[in-house]
Amino acid sequence: AQSVAQPEDQVNVAEGNPLTVKCTYSVSGNPYLFWYVQYPNRGLQFLLKYITGDNLVKGSYGFEAEFNKSQTSFHLKKPSALVSDSALYFCAVRVGFGNEKLTFGTGTRLTIIP
Amino acid sequence: DAGVIQSPRHEVTEMGQEVTLRCKPISGHNSLFWYRQTMMRGLELLIYFNNNVPIDDSGMPEDRFSAKMPNASFSTLKIQPSEPRDSAVYFCASSLKGGHEQYFGPGTRLTVT
Repeated sequence: AQSVAQPEDQVNVAEGNPLTVKCTYSVSGNPYLFWYVQYPNRGLQFLLKYITGDNLVKGSYGFEAEFNKSQTSFHLKKPSALVSDSALYFCAVRVGFGNEKLTFGTGTRLTIIP
Repeated sequence: DAGVIQSPRHEVTEMGQEVTLRCKPISGHNSLFWYRQTMMRGLELLIYFNNNVPIDDSGMPEDRFSAKMPNASFSTLKIQPSEPRDSAVYFCASSLKGGHEQYFGPGTRLTVT
């Protein structure tokens, strides 16, 4: 079985401050990890992924995430938040090769305060 | 590229009626996924296809739901008969097999009264 936990339903950050959205995972085997963002009345948009290699991965819009195997975490980060970053963020996991089924977390609503 | 196309964008129907949701994946993608999003249950995978063949339908809630993919450029999700608890946003997504990220359509907001 595979699962993802996003412990915070809501995160508020002042504009210009660094932001972190937390994600932990559970999977049997090597994990493939993803972050998606959802703006109001829109579908999910891919932000970044970890498959293998460097633990720090960079993605769209200045976001990055760090894979930590010992803590089974994949937290999303950005050095300086923008008001336009306000959205719903989903972490997702799948087992590696051969299985395309993604399991999503419950989502974290990020609000950037001007 | 036009991205994943879903129709209709909004559907309002009465309980007991048949509902058909449609999806056109990105050209060249050979995996297609149907998801349902609700406040209570979050984002759930209903079924996914690879090369038009259903691979995992364990998320389909009950026999009232069925999905088909008659060719590489079209898929349907049918609910018959519909019930108020089916009200949700239904997303279609596609990806390249062996690729990793999924590309989502804009969704169909279904309301069953």
